[in-house]
Parts: sequence; structure tokens; C-alpha cells
Amino acid sequence: QVQLVESGGGLVKPGGSLRLSCAASGFTFSDYYMSWIRQAPGKGLEWVSYISSSGSTIYYADSVKGRFTISRDNAKNSLYLQMNSLRAEDTAVYYCAREGYCSSTSCYSGPPYGMDVWGQGTTVTVSS
Amino acid sequence: DVVMTQSPLSLPVTLGQPASISCRSSQSLVHSDGNTYLNWFQQRPGQSPRRLIYKVSNRDSGVPDRFSGSGSGTDFTLKISRVEAEDVGVYYCMQGTHWPDVTFGQGTKVEIK
Repeated sequence: QVQLVESGGGLVKPGGSLRLSCAASGFTFSDYYMSWIRQAPGKGLEWVSYISSSGSTIYYADSVKGRFTISRDNAKNSLYLQMNSLRAEDTAVYYCAREGYCSSTSCYSGPPYGMDVWGQGTTVTVSS
Repeated sequence: DVVMTQSPLSLPVTLGQPASISCRSSQSLVHSDGNTYLNWFQQRPGQSPRRLIYKVSNRDSGVPDRFSGSGSGTDFTLKISRVEAEDVGVYYCMQGTHWPDVTFGQGTKVEIK
């Protein structure tokens, strides 16, 4: 079945780095835009970053621009988020998600459509 | 950024009764391609979000037909025709029209009275 599994979260000190991974299965990963979304403790959802199916187009939220780097390896069906210069306000559950939708006949991918498949999330805690 | 404002933020409902959540955007969500990219997500306690509705009114696969979405322009609604116990959770609207700057509403917590 279609599945996304995140890993790599943990406890890190302010200013530190962490690399999140997301393993995709059950669909043709290379056909889809992917994104990272985060949720601070007790708070709502915040989009973090997009990457196109080929990896050639990338966008970041202003809150992480210059500190986070999204990438993908289509041969390994994997999505990544390199997080540097971490701050306390980056503490959150980080979800990877597939962008698109499937009708009864076809599937479409792209950020305007929203996130149709989500992983279970991985927790990042930034604290001294 | 487009601000998405949901109301109410808390919604106590009686099992079997209808429920309605409003979502208003600070700018029109009609894209230049003519589509309106407004999504609704459900997040049950302790779970990841799950999309229920895309492009205002299209249900995702496996979503019960008691969930329906409607609206246009800047004003949208998610309705649950008869609330069931499994519908407890937080519901978010999200606009994709103005991507890459997609934005979520604050969330509406649905609980059983």
C-alpha cells in the first residue's frame, strides 16, 4: 500500500543539525512532488518545503529559508530534509507528504492540489 | 501571505447531529487556471493529518460521504451530516492556490458533547 515512513528525528542543541529521511513505497515516487510539513507541540500545521518530482524546483517557507535543505533520491525512493542552525522554535513533529490527488481514472501531482498521503511523523526537539 | 480563518475553533457536537466548520481566506482562492485549491484535513488524536476534501468539494478515496465541502471565492464550509464518534479530532482547511506560500487555518477541534 501507499506509505511514507519518516526517520531521523531526535534531541539536538540549539545551533545543531539534523537530517530527516522519508522512505516512500507503494507508488511511483519519481512522479510526485513531495513536501515537508511540521506541527509544533499543541499547535497547528505549518508547511516547510516543497520539491518537484525531478528535484529541479524547490521552495521553502521564510521561517526555514537559508537553514533547511530539501532533497530527494528517486533511485532510493527517498526524501530528505537537512536542518542546520536549529532553533527552539523548530521543535515540532515533522511530516513528509505526497502532493496530489487521484480521481477514479488518473492521478495528478503538484502543490496546488494539497497533500494526499502523509507519513506518521518524526519528532525534532531543539533544547539545551 | 493568505490568512485562513476558521470558525468556530471548538465545536462540541451531539452524536448523530450535523456539524459545520467555516473557513475564510483573506484573498480569493480562485487560481488563474480557474480552479479553487481549497483542501480540508482531519487529524484524529495522536494521528497524522488525513486529507478529506480537495478542490473545495471532492472527497478523497475512502472518505465517508457524510463529509462534504462547499464554497467559493473566499468563503468555504466543511459539513458532517451526522457526526460519529470516530469524527473527533481537529479539522484544518488549507489553501494551495497561492503556492508556494500555502497556508493552513488554525484548526477546529470537534468533540462529542
